[in-house]
Amino acid sequence: ETGVTQSPTHLIKTRGQQVTLRCSSQSGHNTVSWYQQALGQGPQFIFQYYREEENGRGNFPPRFSGLQFPNYSSELNVNALELDDSALYLCASSLGEWGGFYGYTFGSGTRLTVV
Amino acid sequence: AQKVTQAQTEISVVEKEDVTLDCVYETRDTTYYLFWYKQPPSGELVFLIRRNSFDEQNEISGRYSWNFQKSTSSFNFTITASQVVDSAVYFCALSEAFGSSNTGKLIFGQGTTLQVKP
Repeated sequence: ETGVTQSPTHLIKTRGQQVTLRCSSQSGHNTVSWYQQALGQGPQFIFQYYREEENGRGNFPPRFSGLQFPNYSSELNVNALELDDSALYLCASSLGEWGGFYGYTFGSGTRLTVV
Repeated sequence: AQKVTQAQTEISVVEKEDVTLDCVYETRDTTYYLFWYKQPPSGELVFLIRRNSFDEQNEISGRYSWNFQKSTSSFNFTITASQVVDSAVYFCALSEAFGSSNTGKLIFGQGTTLQVKP
């Protein structure tokens, strides 16, 4: 049973650029959620996808968008990058919509630096 | 409003000391889950425990133990006989029941950095 894999592991982008982060969920998991963790902070919920539809969103602007594919892998896209977008981006998958009930499996994260 | 507070930002202990990490949460739901995660410098979140709101039994796993008290909305984590490998950031998190107004997302505290010195 494979876990959650995220790519790339590290990324450096320039302010104003766009970035796509990728996540392969654990086998059998149909729900993916994304979290942003700024330095020294706890992770903050960005959004969640269940069976290819967004079913929850945190307090993030529309330039943060996502996709979930039929194989339940997922992408996080961020447009018009700002310096404050520099963070560790974590992906988590779960067996169902309520990860609290089913449990979450986290990836190792993508560390994004915006310069 | 849902909230998780970890008042201890940093804790430093000497190896073999016992250490308790505090977690206080706020929720209006009666059904929820509480979690503890460990985050080493590499960044991944390592799952330690999940506890549902209807199970107030304390749990022990090796050197780790958890004390859940609904009366004080606390879910504290104790490491007995700490080791250098326990050095990491520890997060407490809350997941409320999934429903029309809740995504069931994880709400994390700010984290407690534990340093265990040899």
